[in-house]
Amino acid sequence: SAVISQKPSRDICQRGTSLTIQCQVDSQVTMMFWYRQQPGQSLTLIATANQGSEATYESGFVIDKFPISRPNLTFSTLTVSNMSPEDSSIYLCSVGTGLNTEAFFGQGTRLTVV
Amino acid sequence: LAKTTQPISMDSYEGQEVNITCSHNNIATNDYITWYQQFPSQGPRFIIQGYKTKVTNEVASLFIPADRKSSTLSLPRVSLSDTAVYYCLVGEDKLIFGQGTTLQVKP
Repeated sequence: SAVISQKPSRDICQRGTSLTIQCQVDSQVTMMFWYRQQPGQSLTLIATANQGSEATYESGFVIDKFPISRPNLTFSTLTVSNMSPEDSSIYLCSVGTGLNTEAFFGQGTRLTVV
Repeated sequence: LAKTTQPISMDSYEGQEVNITCSHNNIATNDYITWYQQFPSQGPRFIIQGYKTKVTNEVASLFIPADRKSSTLSLPRVSLSDTAVYYCLVGEDKLIFGQGTTLQVKP
């Protein structure tokens, strides 16, 4: 199993600013992902965080808006840049230890942009 | 990636068995079928995973027919605490979530 610590758990931010969300795992993991979940909706995959290289973004998400770092096998950050109220959402970190294995999710970061 | 289709919502009563069926017509040979549960204000939690036939653990059973184009999650004797959203996913690595099934268990 893997225990994920996500920080901050929630924040209220002014439009036009940026917020960096941290995801720390208690063990080395192969795969790390970032998701967004808007109120009452399902999870949408933003990107795969690749260790030592640029993240792989899903359609509709770009690096300039959601820069991601993954310096090692236990840590990743997601930045939400130049925020607008439409970015208000829950952002979740997920990790996996290999193909076709159980994925673990953090508790999420609830972001409100005013 | 294979797309999944599930009922948007289901109602049940405490003590009943609940079966949620998921359709995944375009499942690939290497794909496994995985179910997750999500409570409000929490991240999804793994329930069960299978490739074919039947898998059972302490929480649920998963039935997969030979053609693997659908699967059924079975929750025995549900309680109020089983009220949650249930997601069916197929794939090898990254998880693409569909709409999920909101299960409401009533007393």
